[in-house]
Amino acid sequence: GAVVSQHPSWVICKSGTSVKIECRSLDFQATTMFWYRQFPKQSLMLMATSNEGSKATYEQGVEKDKFLINHASLTLSTLTVTSAHPEDSSFYICSARDRVSGGETQYFGPGTRLLVL
Amino acid sequence: GEDVEQSLFLSVREGDSSVINCTYTDSSSTYLYWYKQEPGAGLQLLTYIFSNMDMKQDQRLTVLLNKKDKHLSLRIADTQTGDSAIYFCAEKLTGGGNKLTFGTGTQLKVEL
Repeated sequence: GAVVSQHPSWVICKSGTSVKIECRSLDFQATTMFWYRQFPKQSLMLMATSNEGSKATYEQGVEKDKFLINHASLTLSTLTVTSAHPEDSSFYICSARDRVSGGETQYFGPGTRLLVL
Repeated sequence: GEDVEQSLFLSVREGDSSVINCTYTDSSSTYLYWYKQEPGAGLQLLTYIFSNMDMKQDQRLTVLLNKKDKHLSLRIADTQTGDSAIYFCAEKLTGGGNKLTFGTGTQLKVEL
């Protein structure tokens, strides 16, 4: 089946630093990837939709200058949390939609746990 | 607006059936999904159903959709300890692109 990886799986950083999270589709091409965040014991909230070769579409209330998204190829999207603060600590999950088979499924990565001290 | 609700917690004995329920408010759903999340992990797609279907069965999983009542359920037959996880329903809306709206999640605990 389709596999999506994320790197790193967890990261601890100091307040004020920037953190980059990678999302890769390993065995398929994805024109569209999605970035979610999940707080403890809560559901996933869509942050933005990442489109290959174009600007990301952000959900209401998500600061695009704070969460920079780059989808430079059909297999890689990156999320950079700029000037991270403790309130940005969360579980970040990406998903990808298979360009070829299309279909109605999104394949999710294993998530990246971010802790900002 | 979009609102997807689930009960928070369900406990069952191993070997029994589990039924996890989900209600949604937006009637323009095209597809509805069930995902499983184990501790500290991402989401695993279990199954999905097109909105014009009433039922879908896939091995131990049965999905029932009552579009009139905007109610979706996931039945797991012969529940095993490995089924312990959080289960999320999600909907995709007409005109929403590929955006998914997730439910609040139901934690399933399977006891021996």
